[in-house]
Amino acid sequence: DIQMTQSPSSLSASVGDRVTITCRASQNINKYLTWSQQKPGKAPQLLIYAASNLESGVPSRFSGSGSGTEFTLTISGLQPEDFATYFCHQSHSPPYTFGQGTKLEIK
Amino acid sequence: QVQLVESGGGVVQPGRSLRLSCAASGFTFSNYGIHWVRQGPGKGLEWVAVISDDGVYKNYADSVKGRFTISRDNSENTVYLEVSSLKTQDTAVYSCAKDRFPHTSSHFGYFYGLDVWGQGTAVIVSS
Repeated sequence: DIQMTQSPSSLSASVGDRVTITCRASQNINKYLTWSQQKPGKAPQLLIYAASNLESGVPSRFSGSGSGTEFTLTISGLQPEDFATYFCHQSHSPPYTFGQGTKLEIK
Repeated sequence: QVQLVESGGGVVQPGRSLRLSCAASGFTFSNYGIHWVRQGPGKGLEWVAVISDDGVYKNYADSVKGRFTISRDNSENTVYLEVSSLKTQDTAVYSCAKDRFPHTSSHFGYFYGLDVWGQGTAVIVSS
């Protein structure tokens, strides 16, 4: 199975900050990596697919990069609505594993 | 709008069965693979199963293989997950989600992520 190691598990930041979340795959997954956001009691929302493609309707302050085994999600200019949990997900080969999540909290 | 709605969860004794449903609307259902994902209490997300757009390709997590069966009825825009021989460790919120692009989940294995998720249905396995 492909292990997805996401870091940090939690992060405190302020409105306007730039934050980066990292996901590392235990083997090469090319660009089959998505980033999603989840708020309590809500369904996840897709932010980035194929490692770096911004999903339609998602603000441009979200960006993704990487390929192979190292991936990053960057949020430039945090907004109050961005405080949530973020997770990565590999869709290269089954079982399609997830990162453990990063809880982004207001400092 | 594009929507997935799960139902069928509940409290069940170990060893028993349930059938979970995922009703879709707002998109051409028969063009998209559908996945089930679960999250146990205090745990991370765990992928459970996938079914291709035509229902031919299916795959399962090792933890549920032989006990869970995924199926779909494209005339009813619904995917099902039959969960049997339930164990306490199957306790979780079960959510369905659709492929980002049509005609992607297949025997090739790779796809481009999940773009729409349901809110989930809770399965509690307890004696």
